[in-house]
Amino acid sequence: QVQLVQSGAEVKKPGASVKVSCKASGYIFTVYYIHWLRQAPGQGLELMGWINPNSGGTKYTQKFQGRVTMTRDTSITTAYMELSGLRSDDTAVYYCAKTLTGYDDDGFDIWGRGTMVTVSS
Amino acid sequence: EIVMTQSPATLSVSPGDRANLSCRASQSVSSDLAWYQQKPGQAPRLLIYGASTRTTGIPARFSGSGSGTEFTLTISSLQSEDFAVYYCQQCNNWPLTFGGGTRVEIK
Repeated sequence: QVQLVQSGAEVKKPGASVKVSCKASGYIFTVYYIHWLRQAPGQGLELMGWINPNSGGTKYTQKFQGRVTMTRDTSITTAYMELSGLRSDDTAVYYCAKTLTGYDDDGFDIWGRGTMVTVSS
Repeated sequence: EIVMTQSPATLSVSPGDRANLSCRASQSVSSDLAWYQQKPGQAPRLLIYGASTRTTGIPARFSGSGSGTEFTLTISSLQSEDFAVYYCQQCNNWPLTFGGGTRVEIK
């Protein structure tokens, strides 16, 4: 079945970087955009940006420009999100999600289970 | 950036009752509106896209309506598994933005 499997929970110190993976299966990886979002404890959903798995092109929201890097490895159908300069307010569950269609501006029909990233000294 | 505002923040409903959840956009998003359901400890689940089209497998008791700046998600007869947080998302303009959510709780 179509699924996105994310890497496990991480604990990082302030200033460090974290890299989260998202392995896709059950569909053609290069057809659909992968978006990354996060959700701080008890809070709502926040979009970070997307990667086009076909071209490798990316688009980041202004808030994360300069701190986030999204990449992919088509040979293993896996997308990655790396966030640098971690602060305590980066503590959140990070999700990858696949677009419903082959467009970047669309709803997200398949989500990973989320990766908890805790930033603490 | 388009701001999405959901109301009410919390809705207390009895099982079997009807629930109407509202979502307002700060500018027109046409029909480019999605609704998600999120239960504790789970990822969001896409219910509705294009303002009114149910995703495969979503029960018919969920329906979406509206266009432009005003949208509604209606749950016609609440079941126990429907108590959750619901988010709207505009897909019309970058960056895609979400509302703050409506928590539907048991009355």
